[in-house]
Amino acid sequence: DVKVTQSSRYLVKRTGEKVFLECVQDMDHENMFWYRQDPGLGLRLIYFSYDVKMKEKGDIPEGYSVSREKKERFSLILESASTNQTSMYLCASSQSDRELSNQPQHFGDGTRLSIL
Amino acid sequence: AQTVTQSQPEMSVQEAETVTLSCTYDTSESDYYLFWYKQPPSRQMILVIRQEAYKQQNATENRFSVNFQKAAKSFSLKISDSQLGDAAMYFCAYATTGTASKLTFGTGTRLQVTL
Repeated sequence: DVKVTQSSRYLVKRTGEKVFLECVQDMDHENMFWYRQDPGLGLRLIYFSYDVKMKEKGDIPEGYSVSREKKERFSLILESASTNQTSMYLCASSQSDRELSNQPQHFGDGTRLSIL
Repeated sequence: AQTVTQSQPEMSVQEAETVTLSCTYDTSESDYYLFWYKQPPSRQMILVIRQEAYKQQNATENRFSVNFQKAAKSFSLKISDSQLGDAAMYFCAYATTGTASKLTFGTGTRLQVTL
């Protein structure tokens, strides 16, 4: 089974802090994704990466950055945390699509981040 | 930009009954994929079922089936013989084809299963 591991289930930080959320997958997947989940808004894509050192902005990248130095690890960085970044953060990974065969995303358990 | 709409924030079904969750989407693409994901309380998001847009036949996975209406851009999920373990948030999602298929999610439907 695919295992996507997020480093923390719960995290509490203060405004202005630099926050790192870590995600590791063990299936040699090319693609990795960061989403935030808010009630009534569903999941929204922050950033994704389709290869080591490659990154692309999703729908809501403002206030975030990412790092992918190794294939198995994808980090989300809040440069200067603000209270409106309090949310559930979900990491996912997938293989690259093969021809017309879409490869499903596999999700981690999520990190519930509170910014005080 | 693609959008996914789930108009039912909450649904309730009795155990052993059937329930249908609605989803509509908007896209100008002809090739794409549609998904239903399940997120149980405090647990991991998992894939329930997926549909390729070029396939006319509706996808089925055991008690879960979809009604895919491409012209109407509708993708509903039917759960038959509902069980207590089906209680969860259900998200409809859309993905384009490509190197890294990004998912666009709906806002979710919370399903309660009662005895």
